[in-house]
Amino acid sequence: EDQVTQSPEALRLQEGESSSLNCSYTVSGLRGLFWYRQDPGKGPEFLFTLYSAGEEKEKERLKATLTKKESFLHITAPKPEDSATYLCAVHPGGGTSYGKLTFGQGTILTVHP
Amino acid sequence: NAGVTQTPKFHILKTGQSMTLQCAQDMNHGYMSWYRQDPGMGLRLIYYSAAAGTTDKEVPNGYNVSRLNTEDFPLRLVSAAPSQTSVYLCASSDPEKRRAKVPTEAFFGQGTRLTVV
Repeated sequence: EDQVTQSPEALRLQEGESSSLNCSYTVSGLRGLFWYRQDPGKGPEFLFTLYSAGEEKEKERLKATLTKKESFLHITAPKPEDSATYLCAVHPGGGTSYGKLTFGQGTILTVHP
Repeated sequence: NAGVTQTPKFHILKTGQSMTLQCAQDMNHGYMSWYRQDPGMGLRLIYYSAAAGTTDKEVPNGYNVSRLNTEDFPLRLVSAAPSQTSVYLCASSDPEKRRAKVPTEAFFGQGTRLTVV
């Protein structure tokens, strides 16, 4: 069974204090790993897709990396507007599973000014 | 471009009542899904459709769906129970990269917060 575990459950940072969020996964034949941001009362908003170990992607203060067992979302010099819940999801291998995502429980990030 | 639209945003339902949550997308996406989101548990897949006319159930009973066309994917709660209190999220994704077996990102609606009392 596919499993995704995110840590920590909650993270509080001061503005400018860099840190990382972790997403560990167990999946048969990973085809893609997705990072989403979710604001209160809103649906998840897509951030990144990573397809293979060693791949990295960046967007503003965020950088996502992928290994064979886990992914990290690095946040450099965060601002209060980066406060949100960050969700990790995996897309398993197998043609019948196309389009079905398994999500972690999320990390709630709070950045204090 | 509206993306994925869900209605209603909030609703309170009595135990045993039935209700349909609406989901529509205007991106001509083939794949549509329903997830429920509960505190501390992330998103869990409930129902999935790869194309109009096809559906795939992921969790047992209590829910039903139809996919009569590409745009709409309504979720029906047949006889609501308090355990179905949750935030329901609808998503769609574009299958165009399927031939290369490259999954594409899912686009989500804003969700329906449902309380069953």
